[in-house]
Amino acid sequence: DVKVTQSSRYLVKRTGEKVFLECVQDMDHENMFWYRQDPGLGLRLIYFSYDVKMKEKGDIPEGYSVSREKKERFSLILESASTNQTSMYLCASSSVLGGAFFGQGTRLTVV
Amino acid sequence: AQTVTQSQPEMSVQEAETVTLSCTYDTSENNYYLFWYKQPPSRQMILVIRQEAYKQQNATENRFSVNFQKAAKSFSLKISDSQLGDTAMYFCAFMKYSGANSKLTFGKGITLSVRP
Repeated sequence: DVKVTQSSRYLVKRTGEKVFLECVQDMDHENMFWYRQDPGLGLRLIYFSYDVKMKEKGDIPEGYSVSREKKERFSLILESASTNQTSMYLCASSSVLGGAFFGQGTRLTVV
Repeated sequence: AQTVTQSQPEMSVQEAETVTLSCTYDTSENNYYLFWYKQPPSRQMILVIRQEAYKQQNATENRFSVNFQKAAKSFSLKISDSQLGDTAMYFCAFMKYSGANSKLTFGKGITLSVRP
């Protein structure tokens, strides 16, 4: 079975802190994604990566950056956390054949 | 850019009955995938079913089937013999068929409640 693992299930950070959300997949997938999920807004794509060191902005990249130094790992970085970044963050990976597999999600609260 | 629309925010169905969840999408692509995902209260997103646009036959996965109308850009999910465990949010999603560098776009989701 494909496994996508996010480093934390719950996280509480202070405003202005630098926050790292880590995601690791074990299926050698080319594509990896970071979404945030908010009630009534569905899943909105923050960034995605289609290869090591390659990244593309999604629909809401402002306030975020990403890093993909190894194929299996895709990190989301909040350079200076703000309260409006309180949300559920979902990581996913997919092969070129389509169909993404998701991690369990990280509920981030910024206080 | 691709868009996915799920116009019904909530639905409810009696256990053992059949329910259909609607999804429409907009794209200029000819080759793409469509998906339905389930997110139960545990919040783990689970792939329910997928459809390749080049296939005319509708995908089926046990009690789940789709009605794919390519010309109408419609992709509905039918759940037969609904079970209490089907209670979840359901998301429709689109991915263009270009291998690498393929963005996966989601609708806003629909909350399905199965009543005992």
